[in-house]
Amino acid sequence: GQNIDQPTEMTATEGAIVQINCTYQTSGFNGLFWYQQHAGEAPTFLSYNVLDGLEEKGRFSSFLSRSKGYSYLLLKELQMKDSASYLCAVRGRDDKIIFGKGTRLHILP
Amino acid sequence: DTEVTQTPKHLVMGMTNKKSLKCEQHMGHRAMYWYKQKAKKPPELMFVYSYEKLSINESVPSRFSPECPNSSLLNLHLHALQPEDSALYLCASSHYLRAAEGQYFGPGTRLTVT
Repeated sequence: GQNIDQPTEMTATEGAIVQINCTYQTSGFNGLFWYQQHAGEAPTFLSYNVLDGLEEKGRFSSFLSRSKGYSYLLLKELQMKDSASYLCAVRGRDDKIIFGKGTRLHILP
Repeated sequence: DTEVTQTPKHLVMGMTNKKSLKCEQHMGHRAMYWYKQKAKKPPELMFVYSYEKLSINESVPSRFSPECPNSSLLNLHLHALQPEDSALYLCASSHYLRAAEGQYFGPGTRLTVT
């Protein structure tokens, strides 16, 4: 079966660092995506990993370990506007993209 | 232009109505997608078009009928929907099916079936 797991909710403080984990079991693997979704809005693309290792993009970094079926999204210097849901999504062998249930991140001042 | 547009923004329809959702992009993307999203749930893939051909149909009921008239346009025709079909319908596009930069999502159409 196909399964993508991520924590339901997390809370962090403005200016801090937070790591959101994602584990997956899918039929084949052709890349892992992270999206940000604010309430009532469409998802916006944050990062893509297809090879093992860390991809850095400004305050956001994403890591992938294919052998462990594991990824994380690291957010640094948190800002209030980072309060949103963060969706981990995996593209399988058949090119279907499956989303995890999302992690709601709350930022406290 | 790095935008995916969707019309209408909101739609209320009865169970006997026929309506269509429209999606447009002018980024030269050759893969286009329809997703359904219920409140506090992740998007669920419905259909994928690649080079204007239907590539993936996730066993969606026939009351939803997709159409890709050209590389910039994607429609979703709706007929005899049920109240449980009420949701946010998201259109997305990417350069091609295995693009590395992810999908660009439109703002969605919020559909209510009465």
